[in-house]
Amino acid sequence: AQSVSQHNHHVILSEAASLELGCNYSYGGTVNLFWYVQYPGQHLQLLLKYFSGDPLVKGIKGFEAEFIKSKFSFNLRKPSVQWSDTAEYFCAVNYNTDKLIFGTGTRLQVFP
Amino acid sequence: ETGVTQTPRHLVMGMTNKKSLKCEQHLGHNAMYWYKQSAKKPLELMFVYNFKEQTENNSVPSRFSPECPNSSHLFLHLHTLQPEDSALYLCASSQGGNGELFFGEGSRLTVL
Repeated sequence: AQSVSQHNHHVILSEAASLELGCNYSYGGTVNLFWYVQYPGQHLQLLLKYFSGDPLVKGIKGFEAEFIKSKFSFNLRKPSVQWSDTAEYFCAVNYNTDKLIFGTGTRLQVFP
Repeated sequence: ETGVTQTPRHLVMGMTNKKSLKCEQHLGHNAMYWYKQSAKKPLELMFVYNFKEQTENNSVPSRFSPECPNSSHLFLHLHTLQPEDSALYLCASSQGGNGELFFGEGSRLTVL
């Protein structure tokens, strides 16, 4: 079955720490990959996406993600987090259909 | 302003009530979605409409009844719900079927 796994459910960091959130998806051929973010009290919004080309994609607010096809992974990274990055982060995969399948989400708390 | 507007933002209903959630998108997209967001679970895709035609019903109980009168409007009619149906219901739209979704702020439903 098509599925997405996020390994970290809750991450707590201090400001300026580096961040890496794991995301793996089940094999299914060609995929489009996404990270969405949900800030407290706000709607889900797109952080970055990968369709094809350079496997290292850059998104908003200094986030980036790397697609590693051999590992079925699309990990999210940020070299130095800020308090304002406190949010829930969702990895999502589109298997070339009109459906988007989400992981369970990772809650990130950043303390000043 | 997300381009996808959901009403009401909060709804409390009894198990015997009948109510409806409304979604409107102002982005000119051709596909609309209902997702259910519950604590500690992945976002669950409920329904997909493409050009007003339902293309996905993800084994959703019949107490949830979607309606899509045109490409800009989507409803979710609710009747005889159960307490476990309490969740945040998210509407989204997309264009092109590549999986990039634009979300509304959600309707928080509580079933007593």
